[in-house]
Amino acid sequence: DGGITQSPKYLFRKEGQNVTLSCEQNLNHDAMYWYRQDPGQGLRLIYYSQIVNDFQKGDIAEGYSVSREKKESFPLTVTSAQKNPTAFYLCASSYLSGQWNTEAFFGQGTRLTVV
Amino acid sequence: SQQGEEDPQALSIQEGENATMNCSYKTSINNLQWYRQNSGRGLVHLILIRSNEREKHSGRLRVTLDTSKKSSSLLITASRAADTASYFCATVKAAGNKLTFGGGTRVLVKP
Repeated sequence: DGGITQSPKYLFRKEGQNVTLSCEQNLNHDAMYWYRQDPGQGLRLIYYSQIVNDFQKGDIAEGYSVSREKKESFPLTVTSAQKNPTAFYLCASSYLSGQWNTEAFFGQGTRLTVV
Repeated sequence: SQQGEEDPQALSIQEGENATMNCSYKTSINNLQWYRQNSGRGLVHLILIRSNEREKHSGRLRVTLDTSKKSSSLLITASRAADTASYFCATVKAAGNKLTFGGGTRVLVKP
């Protein structure tokens, strides 16, 4: 089955802890993205990557870090510097048509709660 | 900042009616996409329309794009209760190639 997998589905973090959210895809997509969604809101872009070993900040990158060591994997670390991390996190991937991003495939999300 | 802004924020209709929602954006785009999200789930891609296209259809979905007005619309015809979801537009900017989403329209289709 081809797809994009996020884990865990639910994650609880204590104040001051770093946590890492996993995102893996077997679609051979070049581009991968992380978004944050707050209740009743749209998606805000945290980081995105179009090739291995390269990534760019999105609109709300502060307090987050990523790596792209393999094409299939794009983990997101929520650091203690992120003051309000409780949210629903969505990972997506897409193929490039020429240089342009096309339709994105989404994982089922990770719900992060600070306790 | 969000590139796309949907209007209305919420829409309630009866089964069988049509649902129309609009998306406006600010900067030049390569393509615009519409997605659907059921509560608490990931997003599902519906339609992609390129900047040189004006209209696309997929089943009961019709999307238009007016680049001069920087706006798009999504029409769902003959709506069903199963169409109840949030709908988002997303744009791929001509500069930077980022996929950026709007705030969404929450659609409720009453049986």
